[in-house]
Amino acid sequence: QSVLTQPPSASGTPGQRVTISCSGSSSNIGSNIVNWYQQFPGTAPKLLIYSTNQRPSGVPGRFSGSKSGTSASLAISGLQSEDEADYYCVTWDNSLNGFLVFGAGTKLTVL
Amino acid sequence: QVQLVQSGVEVKKPGASVKVSCKASGYTFSSYGIDWVRQAPGQGLEWVGWISPNSGNTRQAPNFQGRVTMTTDTVTNTVYMELGNLRYDDTAVYYCARDGVGQWPTGKFDCWGQGTLVTVAS
Repeated sequence: QSVLTQPPSASGTPGQRVTISCSGSSSNIGSNIVNWYQQFPGTAPKLLIYSTNQRPSGVPGRFSGSKSGTSASLAISGLQSEDEADYYCVTWDNSLNGFLVFGAGTKLTVL
Repeated sequence: QVQLVQSGVEVKKPGASVKVSCKASGYTFSSYGIDWVRQAPGQGLEWVGWISPNSGNTRQAPNFQGRVTMTTDTVTNTVYMELGNLRYDDTAVYYCARDGVGQWPTGKFDCWGQGTLVTVAS
């Protein structure tokens, strides 16, 4: 059971805007940056958003990240069929000796 | 180009140890930390730990402390992750990933290895 809570699934139709949430606490999201990853079956994850709201080069502008308090969100606008994948948030948790923690992941289905 | 190439499939018995390698190329090896992340079949991502090739400093997830050892070879630009006292639920794909340039794991993994399947079976 992760300390970061993501909805297990999300869905949308092509062209829609969908958001995926990642809820934590003051010891993780509330005091640290958040990164997001996209993963297709059988492949390694790909960095999608870093430092909460920055896109690596090559990632389309349709993907954006934000944070408010102890929750972070990944938004995908102009949804496309190729966006169907698993999405994970990750951040540092200050408790114990400190550690990186992933959310459990959200499977996005494009209807 | 930046590349991480991992060692091949491993099958181990419960209680044994496994050592997975991750060979880096295409960048200054000592400048970037390397993390290990695993994914059990059908499950999500789980952070295992991080090592700085520059200092040799390591950080481990609480679940792995005392059971995982990470080392580097700066001659061959290779990072190793050894997991001991294997259990059935250690069966997973283990990924190495390049982290940032600081002396702390950041979770910003901009390059990943291809993954190494470790199966624990009797």
